[in-house]
Amino acid sequence: SQQGEEDPQALSIQEGENATMNCSYKTSINNLQWYRQNSGRGLVHLILIRSNEREKHSGRLRVTLDTSKKSSSLLITASRAADTASYFCATDGDGGSNYKLTFGKGTLLTVNP
Amino acid sequence: KAGVTQTPRYLIKTRGQQVTLSCSPISGHRSVSWYQQTPGQGLQFLFEYFSETQRNKGNFPGRFSGRQFSNSRSEMNVSTLELGDSALYLCASSLYGSWEQFFGPGTRLTVL
Repeated sequence: SQQGEEDPQALSIQEGENATMNCSYKTSINNLQWYRQNSGRGLVHLILIRSNEREKHSGRLRVTLDTSKKSSSLLITASRAADTASYFCATDGDGGSNYKLTFGKGTLLTVNP
Repeated sequence: KAGVTQTPRYLIKTRGQQVTLSCSPISGHRSVSWYQQTPGQGLQFLFEYFSETQRNKGNFPGRFSGRQFSNSRSEMNVSTLELGDSALYLCASSLYGSWEQFFGPGTRLTVL
């Protein structure tokens, strides 16, 4: 079953604009991660936020986590054409079970030059 | 440091056949996970191995199996292939105690 659900499913913006993607999940977590996937390739880890953190930054990325609402958002600022990819949130399994990541279905981001 | 490698990159099989996919993790990574990615179901967890032991398994039929060797390399096997097994199979490795996973480029399996 899908633990995380991203919203929107697809997002198209112009270069230089900000992109915001949301993720909702169902059960308690220890941490939440965001990954990027370029068309049909492997996933690349972007950022991890622990359940006791509310916000985290990494370069042009900003992630927030609201455990009371079971939701997270990923903000990419000043987007570039190279940011075009699918973005997935991943949680550490159902109710915190170990050794398993559960991914959402992803948001397809298109950044137009 | 070399990344996660997967072989082969592309594979075409027919229904009823079996297939073995291979994954070499990043040096020093002892945890290897496998995922199946399809347009309809998205990314689904298959299994995870650590020190040659399967620690968790996803909701897949017994036709899907895997193993890990003493050098941390892992293989997954799918027997009696079905059309629905066509997918991108991704392998990921991680350091002990870390949730961050490093993915390989995947093996694209097509079942005809």
